[in-house]
Amino acid sequence: DAGVIQSPRHEVTEMGQEVTLRCKPISGHDYLFWYRQTMMRGLELLIYFNNNVPIDDSGMPEDRFSAKMPNASFSTLKIQPSEPRDSAVYFCASSFSAGETQYFGPGTRLLVL
Amino acid sequence: GENVEQHPSTLSVQEGDSAVIKCTYSDSASNYFPWYKQELGKGPQLIIDIRSNVGEKKDQRIAVTLNKTAKHFSLHITETQPEDSAVYFCAAIGNAGNMLTFGGGTRLMVKP
Repeated sequence: DAGVIQSPRHEVTEMGQEVTLRCKPISGHDYLFWYRQTMMRGLELLIYFNNNVPIDDSGMPEDRFSAKMPNASFSTLKIQPSEPRDSAVYFCASSFSAGETQYFGPGTRLLVL
Repeated sequence: GENVEQHPSTLSVQEGDSAVIKCTYSDSASNYFPWYKQELGKGPQLIIDIRSNVGEKKDQRIAVTLNKTAKHFSLHITETQPEDSAVYFCAAIGNAGNMLTFGGGTRLMVKP
């Protein structure tokens, strides 16, 4: 198995631009998680899906952030408009079921200038 | 919700020595405790996990212990090697059953 796949691996953009991060979970995994990692705040859960349905988005910082999962093999995290404080590494993770091991992708390193 | 605290934040050991990282959690209903290793530029990778019905688990040079009464769990790495240098995160799944709460991480440096 290829594991969790994320794209792009690096993204540099200017403040105000729209950013879209993509994730392909491990086949057969019913749960998908989006995390953000910064030096100041560590690993933060932004949102997670079960069977393509958003379950908890309480970690999404504000309305500029949105996430979708149109099918079992694809999810996006969108930031519009982006701001410099959104600069971080964004990870996608998936798990087979609730309470099971989460497997992380390689992350997308986002820099907003 | 769940709160996980991890200590120390940095740990430097000599190659061949042992390293111990400790975590405490707040939710007594938590029942799954994974440990992740994150190398520079990579995502966290699971290295070992333990469930609440077990007190200890070992995998070669890595072991994890769990004390449910005290609500703490620890990672033990023996015979450390330079390639063990990384950031280690403990985590717990709390009462909700779905969401991992991570500790703040420990940067382990193994000096050759």
